[in-house]
This record gives sequence, C-alpha cells and structure tokens, in this order.
Amino acid sequence: RKEVEQDPGPFNVPEGATVAFNCTYSNSASQSFFWYRQDCRKEPKLLMSVYSSGNEDGRFTAQLNRASQYISLLIRDSKLSDSATYLCVVTPRRGATNKLIFGTGTLLAVQP
Amino acid sequence: DTAVSQTPKYLVTQMGNDKSIKCEQNLGHDTMYWYKQDSKKFLKIMFSYNNKELIINETVPNRFSPKSPDKAHLNLHINSLELGDSAVYFCASRQDSPSSYEQYFGPGTRLTVT
Repeated sequence: RKEVEQDPGPFNVPEGATVAFNCTYSNSASQSFFWYRQDCRKEPKLLMSVYSSGNEDGRFTAQLNRASQYISLLIRDSKLSDSATYLCVVTPRRGATNKLIFGTGTLLAVQP
Repeated sequence: DTAVSQTPKYLVTQMGNDKSIKCEQNLGHDTMYWYKQDSKKFLKIMFSYNNKELIINETVPNRFSPKSPDKAHLNLHINSLELGDSAVYFCASRQDSPSSYEQYFGPGTRLTVT
C-alpha cells in the first residue's frame, strides 16, 4: 500500500464549480500535511498547509481527519487557472521535518 | 533572481553513458534534495543534504551519486545510465527549521535515456 493515496482523476469540471479532492495516508505517526500544486511540465509548489482544525485560503479549504487518516481539499468557484495536478503531501513522523512523502496527485481540468 | 535552478533542462543520452545534473539555490537554505518523478508522475525523494552532509539516502542504485560542494549546490551524477532512469529529476531546497516545511523546487531536468 502506498504511504499516501489519491484518486488520480482526471476531474473535469466547469468553471465556477466546487470540487473536492481526497487523500489518505497510511502512517498514523504522520505529523504534518500539505497540498502542493503542480502545473503541466512545471515544478511542484506549496499551495497550503493543512491544520488539524481545518483552514481556508481564499477559495481553497483544507481539512484533516487524523482518526481516519484522511485529508481533503475543497476548491470553490473553480477558475481555468486552477487546472493542475494537486499533490497530497505528509511528513512521515514527528521530528522528520526534512522528509516529505508525496501522493501521486489528482489531475484537475477546469473547462470553460 | 531564480531561487532554485537546475542545468540542463533537457538531457537526452544513450544507455551506458555517464551524466551529471547541477542544482543551485540562492535562498540561503541549509537543506537540499533530489527527487525523481517517473512517467506515472510519482514524485519520490532520492537524497537530501544538510550543510553538505548526506542525511537522507533512499533506496537508490549506487549508480546515482550526489555531491554537495557547498550548501548552495547539490549535483547528481549518474553512471551507466539505463532506460529506467528516464524521468524528470527535481532539485529542491528548504530552510532547516522545525517550523519550516516548505520545499522550493527547481524547474526540473527531463532525462531521456535511449
């Protein structure tokens, strides 16, 4: 079983739609959680961290459920520019701040 | 003012050759990484250096040898290239702080082995 699992998609949604991505992680000792975004043929970039209480950044909302080892990302009012691969990322354990474990990513295509 | 840069951007070579990829960061970060992203887009860590010291060495063939001449540079040398080495190789850097997790990635080097 992969350490971080995501639905690969693609998710094809119209502009303005709300879309949600899910991610599960296998290591219950995982401490920190993130969403990265990777545009086609580009490098990954940090989108947002995921906090236990949930957090929001504009149209993006991230949630964490430690009991279920589940992370989600909600995008409201999708824009064409949101089209990208969204990577779920965890650190493997307390203190291992140096190492990030990446999921395989979920591809989002926002259609006009 | 590129933060993390890699050269070359594209590399096409034949099986059996030896090649190097270079990475430089001007962010003043202490930690640098090499990742491999395969054809299925799975991004996996290969190595990590902190202040020129190797701290992460995942299960990678010993044909791959990282070298860090100083904390701003981390190069990757690959011997006896194989078809399966074809991938995009990303360099990344991070400030060594307990509260700082963000890694800054370079633009990637697309390696094709024929």
